[in-house]
Amino acid sequence: EIVLTQSPATLSLSPGERATLSCGASQSLYNNYLAWYQQKPGLAPRLLIHDASSRATGIPDRFSGSGSGTDFTLTISRLEPEDFAVYYCQYYGRSRWTFGQGTKVEIK
Amino acid sequence: EVRLVESGGGVVRPGGSLRLSCAASGFTFGDYGMIWVRQVSGKGLEWVSGINWDADSKGYVDSVKGRFTVSRDNAKDSLYLQMDSLRAEDSALYYCARSQTRYFDWLPDCWGQGTLVTVSS
Repeated sequence: EIVLTQSPATLSLSPGERATLSCGASQSLYNNYLAWYQQKPGLAPRLLIHDASSRATGIPDRFSGSGSGTDFTLTISRLEPEDFAVYYCQYYGRSRWTFGQGTKVEIK
Repeated sequence: EVRLVESGGGVVRPGGSLRLSCAASGFTFGDYGMIWVRQVSGKGLEWVSGINWDADSKGYVDSVKGRFTVSRDNAKDSLYLQMDSLRAEDSALYYCARSQTRYFDWLPDCWGQGTLVTVSS
């Protein structure tokens, strides 16, 4: 079973700063089937990135994904006030999903 | 408008049962795989179960195998999760989600608002 480990657990930044979130897999991900979600309190998760680097429909271009194999990164180029939330990575496409434990991006 | 509405959550004693439902509208339900995901309050997300468009293939996380059963009724545009032998650790907010394809192991493009399950004596 693949385990996804996200780091850091919490990222304290100011609006306008760059955020770099990491997701490490315990083994190489098939076809780089790695997604990133954003979740705000009381709401369902929102898909940001799929296939490691493809932005989902309607997602601003300040969000970008990169990586392959076992190491993946979500970058938010300049944090907007609405970007402060929890972010999850997810492996999909092989009969079951796996989520990372999440990274909280909080206002410094 | 694509919409998913979960229901059936509540408080149940350990060892008890609940049946969650997810009513779909705004799309051809039978064309999509469906998924159940849960989230313990303040914690992360966990994929629970999925079912293909024709119910021919289903999947479960190991911790619920043999206790939970996923099903669907395409004529009623509804998804179900029968939860038996419930444990305290099953307490969570349960979301249903629509897969982007006919298969449950693909990405979701729509989520419900969730229904809360509490297992407590």
